[in-house]
Amino acid sequence: QKEVEQNSGPLSVPEGAIASLNCTYSDRGSQSFFWYRQYSGKSPELIMSIYSNGDKEDGRFTAQLNKASQYVSLLIRDSQPSDSATYLCAVKRGGTSYGKLTFGQGTILTVHP
Amino acid sequence: EAQVTQNPRYLITVTGKKLTVTCSQNMNHEYMSWYRQDPGLGLRQIYYSMNVEVTDKGDVPEGYKVSRKEKRNFPLILESPSPNQTSLYFCASSEGAGSYGYTFGSGTRLTVV
Repeated sequence: QKEVEQNSGPLSVPEGAIASLNCTYSDRGSQSFFWYRQYSGKSPELIMSIYSNGDKEDGRFTAQLNKASQYVSLLIRDSQPSDSATYLCAVKRGGTSYGKLTFGQGTILTVHP
Repeated sequence: EAQVTQNPRYLITVTGKKLTVTCSQNMNHEYMSWYRQDPGLGLRQIYYSMNVEVTDKGDVPEGYKVSRKEKRNFPLILESPSPNQTSLYFCASSEGAGSYGYTFGSGTRLTVV
C-alpha cells in the first residue's frame, strides 16, 4: 500500500464548477498535510496546509482533513482554466521525522472553458 | 526575493563521472531537502536536513550524498552517476517542522548517458 494515494485522473471540470481532489494516507502518525500545485515544466508550489480535523479555507481553495478516515481533500471553487495543473497531496509525519515529506503521485486537473 | 536557487538547470554527463548539484536558500530556513521526480513514480525524497551537520535519509538515498556545512547551502553529490539517476531533481527548504511546507527550487534536469 502506498503511503499517499491519489487518483491520477485526469479530472476534467467546466469553468466555474467545483473541482474536488482527494487523497488518502496510510500512516496514522501523520500530522501535517499539504496541497501543492505543479504546472507542466515547473516546480511544485504550496497552496494549502492543514493539520487539524475539519475545513480550512483560503480564497477559492478549501482543504478538508479527516484523520479518522485518513483522508484529505482539496476543493477548488469557481474553477478557472488557469487552475489546470497537477495537484500533489503531501503528508508529513511528526516525531523524529520532521523533515520527511511524502508526496502522492498527483491528480491532473483540466478546467475547460 | 525569497528563493531556493539550484544550479545547473540542465546537465548531461557520462556514467561514473562525479557531479555536484548546488542548492542555496536565502530565507534562513532550518530544513532543506532533495527530491527527484520521475514519470509514473512522482516526487520521491532523497535526503533532508534539519540543521547544519544534521541530515537524514529519505525514501531513495542510494547513490547520493549530501552535506550541510552552512545553513543556506545543501549540495547533492552523485559520486558515480548511473543512467537510472537520469531524472528531474528539486531542492527545497522549509522554515521548520510541523505545518511548514517546503518551498521548491526551479529544478535540475540531469541526464546520465
